[in-house]
Amino acid sequence: SQQGEEDPQALSIQEGENATMNCSYKTSINNLQWYRQNSGRGLVHLILIRSNEREKHSGRLRVTLDTSKKSSSLLITASRAADTASYFCATDGAGGTSYGKLTFGQGTILTVHP
Amino acid sequence: EAEVAQSPRYKITEKSQAVAFWCDPISGHATLYWYRQILGQGPELLVQFQDESVVDDSQLPKDRFSAERLKGVDSTLKIQPAELGDSAMYLCASSPGTSGWNEQFFGPGTRLTVL
Repeated sequence: SQQGEEDPQALSIQEGENATMNCSYKTSINNLQWYRQNSGRGLVHLILIRSNEREKHSGRLRVTLDTSKKSSSLLITASRAADTASYFCATDGAGGTSYGKLTFGQGTILTVHP
Repeated sequence: EAEVAQSPRYKITEKSQAVAFWCDPISGHATLYWYRQILGQGPELLVQFQDESVVDDSQLPKDRFSAERLKGVDSTLKIQPAELGDSAMYLCASSPGTSGWNEQFFGPGTRLTVL
């Protein structure tokens, strides 16, 4: 079952603009990860934010986490055509016997027009 | 750079036939995952191995799916018999540890079409 709900389902922007994607989840987490998937390919890890962190940066990526609202956002600044892909959030659930099982959201399809 | 290898990349089969997918994780990675991704959705975990042992197969349809990782290195996922609803991308991933603090490294996937 899918834990995360991502919003929007699809996003279309021009090169140079910022792109923001949101993810909501239902249960307590150890951490939340974001992955990118180019069309028909495997997923690539982008960033991991722990449950006790509120914000994290990596290059042009900025991730925020609000555990009280059970939500996260991914911001891509100064987008490029090469950023065109699907973006997924994935949660590693807290409590019990967590073996690193990730639960993925439905994804946001980002299209960046040159 | 080390990568997760999967084969075949594409597989077309008729329903009721048997299919098998192979995955070779990054060397030294103890944990191996098989995911199924239906078009337009996120990946869903089918089975997780820690070395050669299954640690989670709660979402694996065991009446038709089987997975093994006999020597704790490469792995095979089998479907017998295949059904139309099995058409999807099958992704393999590996991770150096067992906890969720490690990122997962994904292979390119096997796209299965069942006719």
